[in-house]
Amino acid sequence: NAGVTQTPKFRILKIGQSMTLQCTQDMNHNYMYWYRQDPGMGLKLIYYSVGAGITDKGEVPNGYNVSRSTTEDFPLRLELAAPSQTSVYFCASSYRETGVTYEQYFGPGTRLTVT
Amino acid sequence: AQTVTQSQPEMSVQEAETVTLSCTYDTSESDYYLFWYKQPPSRQMILVIRQEAYKQQNATENRFSVNFQKAAKSFSLKISDSQLGDAAMYFCAYRSAWGGATNKLIFGTGTLLAVQP
Repeated sequence: NAGVTQTPKFRILKIGQSMTLQCTQDMNHNYMYWYRQDPGMGLKLIYYSVGAGITDKGEVPNGYNVSRSTTEDFPLRLELAAPSQTSVYFCASSYRETGVTYEQYFGPGTRLTVT
Repeated sequence: AQTVTQSQPEMSVQEAETVTLSCTYDTSESDYYLFWYKQPPSRQMILVIRQEAYKQQNATENRFSVNFQKAAKSFSLKISDSQLGDAAMYFCAYRSAWGGATNKLIFGTGTLLAVQP
C-alpha cells in the first residue's frame, strides 16, 4: 500500500491563480480530510468527506472547494489564491464504521506559497 | 468547543536522557481519544501513541509513554532513552469519541524537540 499520496509537494502561485491539490488513498478508507498547517500552529480542518459523493465544511473552508467522486480521491481546489492561503496542506484518511473509528493516516503534505 | 494547549514551544534533551512534553486540553465530554503525533523535517505526520479516555492505564509504545490525568485534563508524553531520530515537532491532538460525522482531530500548536548528541 502506498497509503495517502499528495501531489504536488511544492507549489508557488500568484495572487488570483487557481490550482487543485491532489490526494489519493489506497486503503479503502471511507473518511477523508483536508487540513492546513500555518507556521507555528497545529493543523486546522478545511473540509472532510464521509464517503464518495458526500463532503462538508470544517473550521476554515473559505476560499476552498472539494469533491469526492470516488472512494480513493479527494482533491482540494483553490480558486483565486490569496496570500492568506500560504500554508502546508495535509490530506488524511481513516476508516469508520458503526461504533468504531480507526486512526487517521496523513499524506506527506503540499507546501503552497501565494505571492 | 474543545481546545488543546501545548505550553512548551521548544524543548531540548541530551541523547539517551528522558524528556517530558506537556499537553493540556479542555472538554466537557467524558469519552474521547488523545494522541501524540510526531512531525520530523520531512513533514510526514506520524502517530506516536494514543490514549482512550475511558482507560485508566497509561498507554506505552516502546520508549514512548504517556501520563494521562483525566481529572486534571493533562496528557504528557515521556520519551525515554532519547535518540537523535526523535528530534521533531510533536503535536498533541484530541478527538471526540462521539464527534458526529466529523471525526476531526483538534491539534495543539506543537513542541519542537531538539536532541543534543
